[in-house]
Amino acid sequence: AQRVTQPEKLLSVFKGAPVELKCNYSYSGSPELFWYVQYSRQRLQLLLRHISRESIKGFTADLNKGETSFHLKKPFAQEEDSAMYYCAVNHGSSNTGKLIFGQGTTLQVKP
Amino acid sequence: DTAVSQTPKYLVTQMGNDKSIKCEQNLGHDTMYWYKQDSKKFLKIMFSYNNKELIINETVPNRFSPKSPDKAHLNLHINSLELGDSAVYFCASSEHPSGIQYFGAGTRLSVL
Repeated sequence: AQRVTQPEKLLSVFKGAPVELKCNYSYSGSPELFWYVQYSRQRLQLLLRHISRESIKGFTADLNKGETSFHLKKPFAQEEDSAMYYCAVNHGSSNTGKLIFGQGTTLQVKP
Repeated sequence: DTAVSQTPKYLVTQMGNDKSIKCEQNLGHDTMYWYKQDSKKFLKIMFSYNNKELIINETVPNRFSPKSPDKAHLNLHINSLELGDSAVYFCASSEHPSGIQYFGAGTRLSVL
């Protein structure tokens, strides 16, 4: 079965420290991976997707098919990065758009 | 203008009641979704409609019935509410089924 695992429920770092939010997936076929973010009192929004290979707000994520991982990284965390982060996988088929989410990781950046 | 809007934002009701949550998107998207976020913040898809046709129907009790009067609206009707239905329900839309999904602000349902 398709599954997305985010092993850390909470990640707490100090401002300026590097951040890595882990995401592993089990999936057959050609997955499309996403990171969504939910800031306090705001709606869930797309942070980045693996096919665009861009850096958003200093965050990057590389799809590692060998390790079936899509970890989210930022070299220097900022207090405004504090939020809930969800990793998600799309079936990749054009027919359904079914997103499977991980359990989410709360990132807390302390001053 | 809010792209994906849900009403109501909060809904408190008694067990056994029937309630509806409405969702509207003004993005011109073809595809809409309903997700449930439980108390542990786990987010799971329930339904998806593309051009008013049901394309995803996860294992959801048949007390939950989505209705899409047009492609800009996807409402969720819940019959005979149970305590376990308490959750935050999110609506989302995308240009097409494999497009980026845009989420509403959520509806917090509390069943007493």
